[in-house]
Amino acid sequence: AQSVTQPDIHITVSEGASLELRCNYSYGATPYLFWYVQSPGQGLQLLLKYFSGDTLVQGIKGFEAEFKRSQSSFNLRKPSVHWSDAAEYFCAVGAYTGGFKTIFGAGTRLFVKA
Amino acid sequence: DGGITQSPKYLFRKEGQNVTLSCEQNLNHDAMYWYRQDPGQGLRLIYYSQIVNDFQKGDIAEGYSVSREKKESFPLTVTSAQKNPTAFYLCASSARQFTGELFFGEGSRLTVL
Repeated sequence: AQSVTQPDIHITVSEGASLELRCNYSYGATPYLFWYVQSPGQGLQLLLKYFSGDTLVQGIKGFEAEFKRSQSSFNLRKPSVHWSDAAEYFCAVGAYTGGFKTIFGAGTRLFVKA
Repeated sequence: DGGITQSPKYLFRKEGQNVTLSCEQNLNHDAMYWYRQDPGQGLRLIYYSQIVNDFQKGDIAEGYSVSREKKESFPLTVTSAQKNPTAFYLCASSARQFTGELFFGEGSRLTVL
């Protein structure tokens, strides 16, 4: 079955340090791939997306993600984290599974320490 | 500004009562979705609608109902048959069908007392 795995429930990084959030998916073909961010008590906002083409995609707020087909991964990165980046991050895939759906990972909570 | 409006933001309900959550969009999107969010479980799809007057069950539709009489509106009713309704509910819409790219509302938090 199609699935999305985010291995880290939470991550803590120091402000100014680099960040990498991991995402692995299970799908027979190349899916559409997304990262969303959610602040507490709010809706989700799209950070970036991959449909095809260049496997390194740029998003908003200085985030980027790299699609690696051989590893079925779509990891999110940021070179220097700001305190305002503290939030929950969701990886998602758009795939056919009994109809076309967006499947979400369980999320990774990012904490930023001063 | 275009967007998705969910109301109410907070709702309290007694057991045995039905409640309806509103979702309105002015993005001119055809597709609309309802998700349920519980801590540590990501988002789970309740119902979705690709066009007016048509909708499909998602992964956890039991105890919920929807309607899609207008393109802009996709209300969700949480019925008394839903055994564990306390959750955060998110409405979303999509401009590009069959891609999975979603625009979300701010959410509605339902608490059953």
